[in-house]
Amino acid sequence: AQRVTQPEKLLSVFKGAPVELKCNYSYSGSPELFWYVQYSRQRLQLLLRHISRESIKGFTADLNKGETSFHLKKPFAQEEDSAMYYCALSTYNTDKLIFGTGTRLQVFP
Amino acid sequence: ETGVTQSPTHLIKTRGQQVTLRCSSQSGHNTVSWYQQALGQGPQFIFQYYREEENGRGNFPPRFSGLQFPNYSSELNVNALELDDSALYLCASTRKDGETQYFGPGTRLLVL
Repeated sequence: AQRVTQPEKLLSVFKGAPVELKCNYSYSGSPELFWYVQYSRQRLQLLLRHISRESIKGFTADLNKGETSFHLKKPFAQEEDSAMYYCALSTYNTDKLIFGTGTRLQVFP
Repeated sequence: ETGVTQSPTHLIKTRGQQVTLRCSSQSGHNTVSWYQQALGQGPQFIFQYYREEENGRGNFPPRFSGLQFPNYSSELNVNALELDDSALYLCASTRKDGETQYFGPGTRLLVL
């Protein structure tokens, strides 16, 4: 069965510190991996997807098939990065998204 | 693209009642998915509609049903409401497979 695990419910860092939000997945095929973000009082929105290999707002994520991980990283956290972050996967040829339980990132000044 | 809207924003129902939630996708988005997000959890896939037909379903009972209309609007219907149906219900639309899904703001349903 497909599954996405985000082990941390809450991650607190100070501004300027590096950030790594962990995501592990379980899927026997080739998944497509995403990070979605929800800022306070805003809707869920796509942050990045692994196939585009982009860096959005300074965040990057590398798909590690050996470790079945897709950790989200940013070298220097900003206060405006405070939000709820969800890792998600979709299986081959479907739009169905399987989400993790989310990690709340708090960046203190 | 943030044109997905949902109504109502909040709703209170009692156990056993029926509810209809509505979603309006962006023009040209022929695929809509519905998700249930319980408190403290990530969204869970309920089902997807493509060109007005169900195109995939998650692990939800038949009392969860949907409709999609030609004008890019859709409905989620839940019969015989249970307390555990209390959640935020999200719809997401996309133009076609593999493209970004755009989420609506959600409808928060409370079942008493």
